[in-house]
Amino acid sequence: QVQLEQSGPGLVPPSQTLSLTCVISGDIVSSNSAAWTWIRQSPTRGLEWLGRTYLRSKWRSDYAPFVESRISIEADTAKNQFSLHLRSVTPDDTAVYYCARDKRLRRHDFWGQGSLVIVSS
Amino acid sequence: DIQMTQSPPSLSASVGDTITITCQASQDIASYLNWYHQKPGKAPNLLIYDASSLQTGVPSRFIGSGSGTDFVFTITNLQPEDVGTYYCHQFDSLPRTFGGGTVVDI
Repeated sequence: QVQLEQSGPGLVPPSQTLSLTCVISGDIVSSNSAAWTWIRQSPTRGLEWLGRTYLRSKWRSDYAPFVESRISIEADTAKNQFSLHLRSVTPDDTAVYYCARDKRLRRHDFWGQGSLVIVSS
Repeated sequence: DIQMTQSPPSLSASVGDTITITCQASQDIASYLNWYHQKPGKAPNLLIYDASSLQTGVPSRFIGSGSGTDFVFTITNLQPEDVGTYYCHQFDSLPRTFGGGTVVDI
């Protein structure tokens, strides 16, 4: 059974970087049949796919255009985890953030528990 | 981006009822559609993938159908644990997008 455990600060000051980590058990981040994804949810914007990273001969990342200029998603094979870094945050980035496995680039079948991140001074 | 339009936004039903939710894509997405169920304070849970395939462990009362731009999600014999919000989600193209959700209460 795949489990994803999220961690990271719940409060981030405006203009700083939001960083979250998702530790994987029951699968490996370097799997050739999965991608590792971040999704966020807020009452005003609903569910928003932020991006993913995956290994297919080399590491690849895809990002949503609305955050592409300030996001990075990175895998750490030694720790079997992946991380989200979202730079220059504003209060509009306040949301519950989820990590998820994207099986065969087709479906998010396992999710982390969610992390509420508030952007405020 | 592909826009996903769900309806109705909410519905109320009784135990044992059959309910239907629709999802319309702004362009042809073939069968590249999933359905999720979310309970308050929890992550979404995958129910249906590839428009009509039942995820392992999901009861057969959950049914998905459709292709192209129009999709239907049905719950037969509605149970108390089925309350929550249901979302459609397209994986035809990037960025992945979700419908606005349908709140189901009993």
